[in-house]
Amino acid sequence: EAGVVQSPRYKIIEKKQPVAFWCNPISGHNTLYWYLQNLGQGPELLIRYENEEAVDDSQLPKDRFSAERLKGVDSTLKIQPAELGDSAVYLCASSLDRGEQYFGPGTRLTVT
Amino acid sequence: AQSVTQLGSHVSVSEGALVLLRCNYSSSVPPYLFWYVQYPNQGLQLLLKYTSAATLVKGINGFEAEFKKSETSFHLTKPSAHMSDAAEYFCAVSGTAGSYQLTFGKGTKLSVIP
Repeated sequence: EAGVVQSPRYKIIEKKQPVAFWCNPISGHNTLYWYLQNLGQGPELLIRYENEEAVDDSQLPKDRFSAERLKGVDSTLKIQPAELGDSAVYLCASSLDRGEQYFGPGTRLTVT
Repeated sequence: AQSVTQLGSHVSVSEGALVLLRCNYSSSVPPYLFWYVQYPNQGLQLLLKYTSAATLVKGINGFEAEFKKSETSFHLTKPSAHMSDAAEYFCAVSGTAGSYQLTFGKGTKLSVIP
């Protein structure tokens, strides 16, 4: 069974540029999570989807971050414009309802 | 609200020695507790979880953890460290029974010395 797929794995951009991350969850998992992991820190939830609906986006900086999950499967997280402080690893996870979360390998973003 | 404190950002043990990684939690409701492992450039993998059943929880790769309510602790142990155990370990708490909205600690990096 394929795990959570994320792309790209690494991304280097200049500040003020836009960037997008893509996540394909495990087949059949209706709940999808985006986490931010800063260096030396644990993951912090940015947004949680149940099917197509964003049920918890309280930690998503909405001035520059946006996310979508069309058709309740794949999801895209976007930052526009990126700032130096956005350099981090962005993790996607999925679960069946509120069950065990399975994590993808993450996208490491470097903003220069 | 819930929180997790992991004591020691970096722990070094000799191969074959006991591994002890400490985790203390705070939760206003009966917690669910988790330990995850993260290898370099990989996502998090669940090692074990406590969900209000047995207080001693056994996980993968020979790890186990004991839930101690009186000490608000959920320390992770392994009797004999192996080189392949070198990784970063995260303790997490879900403060609402039945919900898996996780709050993670800052992590402990485990080094295993040959």
